[in-house]
Amino acid sequence: AQTVTQSQPEMSVQEAETVTLSCTYDTSESNYYLFWYKQPPSRQMILVIRQEAYKQQNATENRFSVNFQKAAKSFSLKISDSQLGDTAMYFCAFMKHDGGATNKLIFGTGTLLAVQP
Amino acid sequence: DTEVTQTPKHLVMGMTNKKSLKCEQHMGHRAMYWYKQKAKKPPELMFVYSYEKLSINESVPSRFSPECPNSSLLNLHLHALQPEDSALYLCASSQSPGQGNQPQHFGDGTRLSIL
Repeated sequence: AQTVTQSQPEMSVQEAETVTLSCTYDTSESNYYLFWYKQPPSRQMILVIRQEAYKQQNATENRFSVNFQKAAKSFSLKISDSQLGDTAMYFCAFMKHDGGATNKLIFGTGTLLAVQP
Repeated sequence: DTEVTQTPKHLVMGMTNKKSLKCEQHMGHRAMYWYKQKAKKPPELMFVYSYEKLSINESVPSRFSPECPNSSLLNLHLHALQPEDSALYLCASSQSPGQGNQPQHFGDGTRLSIL
């Protein structure tokens, strides 16, 4: 069975600074996908960034980038130039590649990020 | 604006009531999901529909009854719920069940309170 661990329940960062959220996972699969979702107080889960395990290049989306270390089973999220709107719960998620038979997401426990003015 | 629309946004019901949650998407997605989320916890998968057929039921109690009348619509019928069923219910959709790398798009959720 796959598990996803987020060891930082809460984090705080000053506006305009950089913060890194940690995520580790455990799997015996060789092909899978990893995601970061954010959930602001408005409740909607929003996809931040995704990474295919077979790609060595780290994914980036504007101010968001990941550090994907497949051998270490680590998938951290870096947020640069933090903005007040980045305040949210961040969930790391794993999906194994089974041809889309289930598309089942396995979520970590989340990291609550507060961006301070 | 979310592309997955859930109604109602809030619902308060008694334990003997029957109500339904509705989820709609017009992105042509063929996989749809129901999740339950307690406060400060990750979403827990309840059901998955693939091409309008139920493909996953995560051992959900029968007081929750999903229905997928067409490819755009997903319902969750509620009956005789318990106070511990109070939670945020999230609906999500993704493109094709055959393409595992397609991310799930979530709605804003329905906040359900059982009296």
